[in-house]
Amino acid sequence: EAGVAQSPRYKIIEKRQSVAFWCNPISGHATLYWYQQILGQGPKLLIQFQNNGVVDDSQLPKDRFSAERLKGVDSTLKIQPAKLEDSAVYLCASSRGGLAYGQETQYFGPGTRLLVL
Amino acid sequence: AQSVTQLDSQVPVFEEAPVELRCNYSSSVSVYLFWYVQYPNQGLQLLLKYLSGSTLVKGINGFEAEFNKSQTSFHLRKPSVHISDTAEYFCAVRGTASKLTFGTGTRLQVTL
Repeated sequence: EAGVAQSPRYKIIEKRQSVAFWCNPISGHATLYWYQQILGQGPKLLIQFQNNGVVDDSQLPKDRFSAERLKGVDSTLKIQPAKLEDSAVYLCASSRGGLAYGQETQYFGPGTRLLVL
Repeated sequence: AQSVTQLDSQVPVFEEAPVELRCNYSSSVSVYLFWYVQYPNQGLQLLLKYLSGSTLVKGINGFEAEFNKSQTSFHLRKPSVHISDTAEYFCAVRGTASKLTFGTGTRLQVTL
């Protein structure tokens, strides 16, 4: 079974530029998560999708961050414009998405390391 | 809302020695508890999880953890570590209808 795929693995941009990250979850997984992991901290949930609907985006800075999962499979996360404090690893995870999703294991991709100069 | 405290940011240990990584949580509702491991430049991988039942949970790579409700703890243990266990370890908590909340991580450094 293929794991969660993410691209690119690394990205360096100037502040105020825009950037997009792509994630392809494990086949058949209905729930998809985007996390931000700042150096020295644990991952923080940005947004959770159930199929193509948003379940939780309470910690997504909506003035600059956006995410979509139009067909309920792969997803993109965009930052526009980027700030210095957006430098972090952006992790995508997926889970089966059953009724008891709180118990489910989340499977993580390798992440995209973003550096904003 | 729930939170997780990992008391040690770094734990150095010699190979073949035992290790315990500490995790305490706070929550006003019943929770599920998880330990994840992150190797350099990789995503997180689940080591083990506590959902209900036996308070002693066994995971992969010889790790185990014990859920202690009265002390609100979920410490991770391994009786004999290997060099390959060097990684960052994250404790996480989740309520039945809430998001997964991670601690700040503990860096386990195994040396010869």
